Amino acid sequence: AQRVTQPEKLLSVFKGAPVELKCNYSYSGSPELFWYVQYSRQRLQLLLRHISRESIKGFTADLNKGETSFHLKKPFAQEEDSAMYYCASSGGYQKVTFGTGTKLQVIP
Amino acid sequence: DVKVTQSSRYLVKRTGEKVFLECVQDMDHENMFWYRQDPGLGLRLIYFSYDVKMKEKGDIPEGYSVSREKKERFSLILESASTNQTSMYLCASSTGPNTEAFFGQGTRLTVV
Repeated sequence: AQRVTQPEKLLSVFKGAPVELKCNYSYSGSPELFWYVQYSRQRLQLLLRHISRESIKGFTADLNKGETSFHLKKPFAQEEDSAMYYCASSGGYQKVTFGTGTKLQVIP
Repeated sequence: DVKVTQSSRYLVKRTGEKVFLECVQDMDHENMFWYRQDPGLGLRLIYFSYDVKMKEKGDIPEGYSVSREKKERFSLILESASTNQTSMYLCASSTGPNTEAFFGQGTRLTVV
């Protein structure tokens, strides 16, 4: 079974500091990995996905198959980055499995 | 612009009631999903459907059922609501495996 682990429930950083949100997955094949974000009072939306290799709002995520990780990074946090972040995995099936989420709090 | 619409933002129901949560998407997506979102537990998949009249159990299907009679509509049914089903329910749709999921705004259900 797929499993996605986000070890931190809350991550607090100061504005301008680097951000790293951790995500580890367990799947024997080659999953597709995603980061979703939910801003206050807004619906959950896709932030970025592994296959596109894009940088969205300054965030990047690199797939490390050896460590089975897909950590989300941003060099300089901004106040508007404060939100709930979910890592998700799709293992080639229709089903998408989400982690428990990390709340990012950027302190002015 | 993909739109996934859930029929209610807030619902309050009594224990034992039969509850229907409705979800409609307007982009002809094959897949539809129902999740519940709880603090500290993240999103947990209840049921999903990859075609009309097809359904698959997710990770926590107990106490729930679903119906998909038309491609655009996916209903979640609580046969006999209980207080432990108080939660935020999210509907989502996608075009196929390994593709972006588009979410509705959520229904906050309170069972008293």
